[in-house]
Amino acid sequence: DAKTTQPPSMDCAEGRAANLPCNHSTISGNEYVYWYRQIHSQGPQYIIHGLKNNETNEMASLIITEDRKSSTLILPHATLRDTAVYYCIVRVPLLGTASKLTFGTGTRLQVTL
Amino acid sequence: DSGVTQTPKHLITATGQRVTLRCSPRSGDLSVYWYQQSLDQGLQFLIQYYNGEERAKGNILERFSAQQFPDLHSELNLSSLELGDSALYFCASSVTGGGEKLFFGSGTQLSVL
Repeated sequence: DAKTTQPPSMDCAEGRAANLPCNHSTISGNEYVYWYRQIHSQGPQYIIHGLKNNETNEMASLIITEDRKSSTLILPHATLRDTAVYYCIVRVPLLGTASKLTFGTGTRLQVTL
Repeated sequence: DSGVTQTPKHLITATGQRVTLRCSPRSGDLSVYWYQQSLDQGLQFLIQYYNGEERAKGNILERFSAQQFPDLHSELNLSSLELGDSALYFCASSVTGGGEKLFFGSGTQLSVL
């Protein structure tokens, strides 16, 4: 799986958009970008994933650059409950039955009043 | 609620002892993953099972073992416990096993005294 680089921490004011960047310059053509988050000591939670097109769901938007070497997770209106560690993971969603989904160190997002 | 159930939530034991952590995956999910999270190591992948068979292995110690039963629940056995084994242990499940969306349980906090 491709290596990802994320800033260790970010702050965001409540109600503003939180833009979390991720660099994955060694990504290959069939690798997807996944985002998870972990709110203090809870199990990680899936947020969104994409291949090359921008994606949006009820939680967030994912913007992937045209060369796919970086992406941004956007939380449009951050709330205090969005304070968490956000993990960007790049991998191939194998059609088979084996996977070593690896989490890096992530970005600690602090949403403040 | 992710639909993944882990028991017990908390476990306190002594060095040298053996414990068993249990995980019930979401209904319909065939794959189970185990992760260890300690303060200084982040989320570490331990092992993955798919439909009763081991499929992928991470940095799992020889003192640790796991299995997935015919009803698809899984157990992680930790033996000859050491102080350093104190951590949060998460189980996750997914429909297949190719690394697509994972659903995590709320974890078992193990304290070895």
